[in-house]
Amino acid sequence: QVQLQESGPGLVTPSQTLSLTCTVSGDSVSSDNDYWNWIRQPTGKGLEWIGRIYTSGGTDYNSFLKSRVTISVDTSRNQFSLRLISVTAADTAVYFCARERINDAFDTWGQGTMVTVAS
Amino acid sequence: SYVLTQPPSVSVAPGKTARLDCGGDNIRSQSVHWYQQKPGRTPEVVISFDSDRPSGIPERFYGANSGNTATLTITRVEAEDEADYYCQVWDSSSEHWVFGGGTRLTVL
Repeated sequence: QVQLQESGPGLVTPSQTLSLTCTVSGDSVSSDNDYWNWIRQPTGKGLEWIGRIYTSGGTDYNSFLKSRVTISVDTSRNQFSLRLISVTAADTAVYFCARERINDAFDTWGQGTMVTVAS
Repeated sequence: SYVLTQPPSVSVAPGKTARLDCGGDNIRSQSVHWYQQKPGRTPEVVISFDSDRPSGIPERFYGANSGNTATLTITRVEAEDEADYYCQVWDSSSEHWVFGGGTRLTVL
């Protein structure tokens, strides 16, 4: 059974960097069949796709965030990570990681982690 | 970039049929995925590739895609179907996943 688990600080200071990690079990982040995605959801609002990474290390990012976001993968730890710089209150949201079976739907999601940007 | 438009809310009585639309320019040329998200829960795919139903999803859920509108239809609606529903497509021109704004289904 594939499971994803987000981890990271729940509170980030404005202008600082948000860093989250998604730990994968039951599958390999090196799999040729999968892309690994980050999605966020502000409280009471809809889903916003942030970006994805695949086994070659290639990435796709939402153009709205592209200048501030980096997604990376650590195959030794079977994890992938999100880094978002220069955060503001608008980045306050629940952040989800999710598995995508190459252009298929996101079939497995982490439980989500709430990140608040505040001083 | 590509835009998906969903009505904010749909209400339906128990036992009736709910139709949730997702509008997009020539969306029929896209593969549409649908997610259900119950309050405080993680989204769950209920329809993939326009009309494929993952195992465990009731047959009451089915999808269609034509012209500029994809539709998720839920027949014999039950109280447990009350949730937010999101459509999703891959926009190959911008290399983005795009979500619709979501529709809150209320079971009266």
